[in-house]
Amino acid sequence: KQEVTQIPAALSVPEGENLVLNCSFTDSAIYNLQWFRQDPGKGLTSLLLIQSSQREQTSGRLNASLDKSSGRSTLYIAASQPGDSATYLCAVRYGGATNKLIFGTGTLLAVQP
Amino acid sequence: GAGVSQTPSNKVTEKGKYVELRCDPISGHTALYWYRQSLGQGPEFLIYFQGTGAADDSGLPNDRFFAVRPEGSVSTLKIQRTERGDSAVYLCASSFGTGGPQHFGDGTRLSIL
Repeated sequence: KQEVTQIPAALSVPEGENLVLNCSFTDSAIYNLQWFRQDPGKGLTSLLLIQSSQREQTSGRLNASLDKSSGRSTLYIAASQPGDSATYLCAVRYGGATNKLIFGTGTLLAVQP
Repeated sequence: GAGVSQTPSNKVTEKGKYVELRCDPISGHTALYWYRQSLGQGPEFLIYFQGTGAADDSGLPNDRFFAVRPEGSVSTLKIQRTERGDSAVYLCASSFGTGGPQHFGDGTRLSIL
C-alpha cells in the first residue's frame, strides 16, 4: 500500500530558528512530490513541487529536498517567523494513469514570537 | 476568479438529505480533483476529471457519491442519503494539464446532523 508519513506531528520553535519537516513514502516510484501549507479553516496553499528527476526546489526561505531511493523528502524553513505557523502537508503523486495525490497527516508548526 | 472557488463554504444538513457541492476551477485548468479531509487528517482523494470525463473515481467511498463536470469547467459533487460519517471538509483542486501543481480551494465544510 502506498503511504505517506510525516514526522513530527507537531513542532513548536522560537522565532528565528531554522527547522526541518520530514516526509517519508513507502513506494519510491513517484512522479512528483508537493509540499503544501494549510492555515486553520482554509484550503491548501502549494509551496513547492519537486519532480521525480529533481533533488531539490527552493522558494525564498523554503527549500525542499527529495531522495527517492530512501523514500524521503524534507522541507527546510530558514529563519522561521510567527507567520509560518500552520500545518504543513506533504503529498506524493505516483506514476501511471492516475493524478491523485496521497497525503501525509501533516506537521502542525507553531513559531513562538 | 484568480483561484479555485468552492460553494457553499459551509453546509449543515440532516442525515438522509441530498447535498450538492460546487467547484469553480482556475480558468483554463483542464484537470479537476475532489478530496475529502477529516479532522486531523490529510486530504483523501475522491475523484479526478480530465476535461468532462472522470478519469479516476477510485476514491469515491460508495455509490451515494457522484460527481459531474458536464462542460469541462465547473464540477458538482453530489451526495445522496447523507450519513453522519460524511461530515468532513470537501476540497476541490485544479491543475493545468496533468503534470503541474494542484491548486486548492478553501473547501466546503459539510456537517451532517
